[in-house]
Order: sequence, then structure tokens, then C-alpha cells
Amino acid sequence: DTGVSQDPRHKITKRGQNVTFRCDPISEHNRLYWYRQTLGQGPEFLTYFQNEAQLEKSRLLSDRFSAERPKGSFSTLEIQRTEQGDSAMYLCASSPDRGEQYFGPGTRLTVT
Amino acid sequence: EDQVTQSPEALRLQEGESSSLNCSYTVSGLRGLFWYRQDPGKGPEFLFTLYSAGEEKEKERLKATLTKKESFLHITAPKPEDSATYLCAVQEWGNAGNMLTFGGGTRLMVKP
Repeated sequence: DTGVSQDPRHKITKRGQNVTFRCDPISEHNRLYWYRQTLGQGPEFLTYFQNEAQLEKSRLLSDRFSAERPKGSFSTLEIQRTEQGDSAMYLCASSPDRGEQYFGPGTRLTVT
Repeated sequence: EDQVTQSPEALRLQEGESSSLNCSYTVSGLRGLFWYRQDPGKGPEFLFTLYSAGEEKEKERLKATLTKKESFLHITAPKPEDSATYLCAVQEWGNAGNMLTFGGGTRLMVKP
């Protein structure tokens, strides 16, 4: 069973550095979502792709954040000029057109 | 704006002591309500989807119910391995992306 995978699982970076995360969704799912979760809170929506098209972005997604999903397969989330407030768990989820979202294990980002 | 509130924030139970977790929501039109389980350092794991008031779903010691304003997750005779954070989330009609709006979660601890 190949679920959603994310890489890396943990990332420690210094303030001001750029970081990139990868998400590989379940292969037959055409929808892909990025969420961010801080300690003690529920996940918050960041952005959504249907196939390769990025169709929705949250106001949480500042100009320093960019996401891509080339050819509608894996997705990357890049954060430029990281800030301490970016420290969080970044979760990726995928779903078919109608149905439940299945989450990956997350990437824990720590900005020092 | 969608709002999802979960209570209590934390719940301690003795093994075998049944209880319920609450999820109240405010949404223009509910497309679906979802329950997830999240273990520390991991991504949310899908449990149930409920679509209409009166609907119930069961899985092992868990039973989810839905009314027009809230959902309950009933835990019958819990075991220590049921310890986790339980998240509920809503999807709204008219939201093309089907993104989830999460509550803050209930942290459940079951003591042997």
C-alpha cells in the first residue's frame, strides 16, 4: 500500500535560508493539498492542486511561499528567506475528485 | 467564515471508561464532516466521514454521530492504544477545492 509520502521528515534551517519539501501523493489521486500545523493546533489549509493546476491559495501563503506540481504528480513546497514563525509541521494530503483526504507523515520544520 | 470548535481540549480516562468528544461547527452548507486520529509526530489518519444529520459510523471502539450543529465521537471501553489527538474537520458546499477546516483537536489519554 503506497500512501502519501513526504521528504524530508525533519528539517532544521537557519533564519533566512530557503527550504524545499516534497510530497508524493497516492498515485490515482488527482487532488493534492498542503496544510500547516503548529503545536497544539489543528492543520490549516495552505494551497490546493487539481492535477498540475494550483487552484486555491490561502491568505496564510505569503509571497515567500511557492508550490508546484509539475505534470500532476509529486508536489514541492518552497519557503524562501525562512523566518522563525515558519517553524511548523507541513502536511501534504491527497484525494480523488470526491472523497476523503489522506495525509502524509509531514515534514517538521525548525527555523533557528 | 467556517468555525470548528472541539471540546474538551484534553481528556484523561481510565481504561474501560467510556466517554464522548464534541465537535461543534458553523458552516453555510455542510458537505461533509471528517474525523481523524493523529499520533504525536505523525500525520492525521482518516477515521470517518459523515454527510447528513442523523448519520452514524462505527469502527471498533469508536462511533461518530452527526447533528445539524455538532458531531460526537463516542469511545466505548477505551484502551491505552486509543490515546491520541482526535481532530474533526468540515468541508463546505460551494468550496470547489474541498479543503478542510479543522478544529483544534482533543488530546485523549487513556491510562491502564
